[in-house]
Amino acid sequence: QLQLQESGPGLVKPSETLSLTCTVSGVSIRSPRYYWGWIRQPPGKGLEWIGNIHYSESANYNPSLKSRVTMSVDTSKNQFSLELNSVTAADTAIYYCATAEGTPARYGMDVWGQGTTVTVSS
Amino acid sequence: SYEVTQPPSLSVSPGQTTTITCSGDELGTKYTSWYQQKPGRSPVLIIFDDNKRPSGIPERFSGSNSGNTATLTISATQAFDEADYFCQTSDRSTVIFGGGTKLTVL
Repeated sequence: QLQLQESGPGLVKPSETLSLTCTVSGVSIRSPRYYWGWIRQPPGKGLEWIGNIHYSESANYNPSLKSRVTMSVDTSKNQFSLELNSVTAADTAIYYCATAEGTPARYGMDVWGQGTTVTVSS
Repeated sequence: SYEVTQPPSLSVSPGQTTTITCSGDELGTKYTSWYQQKPGRSPVLIIFDDNKRPSGIPERFSGSNSGNTATLTISATQAFDEADYFCQTSDRSTVIFGGGTKLTVL
């Protein structure tokens, strides 16, 4: 059974870099069937897509975050990661990793991690 | 940039049919998915490819997409269905979420 688990610091200082990792279990991250993604949800607000990555393709990012985001895949650890630099309080949110079996556009993201809360504060 | 719009809130009585809309320019030409999210929980995919249900999702949940509007329909709505519902589509490899609809079952 495919499962995802986010990990990373819960507190990040303004102007620093937010770094999160999603550990995948139950399937190889190199499987061509899956796309891996990050979504965030500010407190009391809706969902915001951050980006998707496929192990053999380049990542796609939200245009509003593209200049600050980097996603990567570590096949040796079966993990994928998110880096968001120059963070501000507006980046405070629950961060979810998720996966789509097929393109997210058509097939949606059917497995989600439990989410990890990241607060940006000095 | 492409946007989709949902009503912020909706109230229904138990047993009634719930209709939640997601509107966007020529949305019917794109694929739409729907998610259910309960407080403190991760979103759950309930509809993908406009009208398909993942395994384990009750038949009471159905979807359609035509023209400028995608619709999530919940038949015989139950108190257990009270949640936030988000539509999701894509434009030029960018995934877009609607703002969400808070469904209250009174």
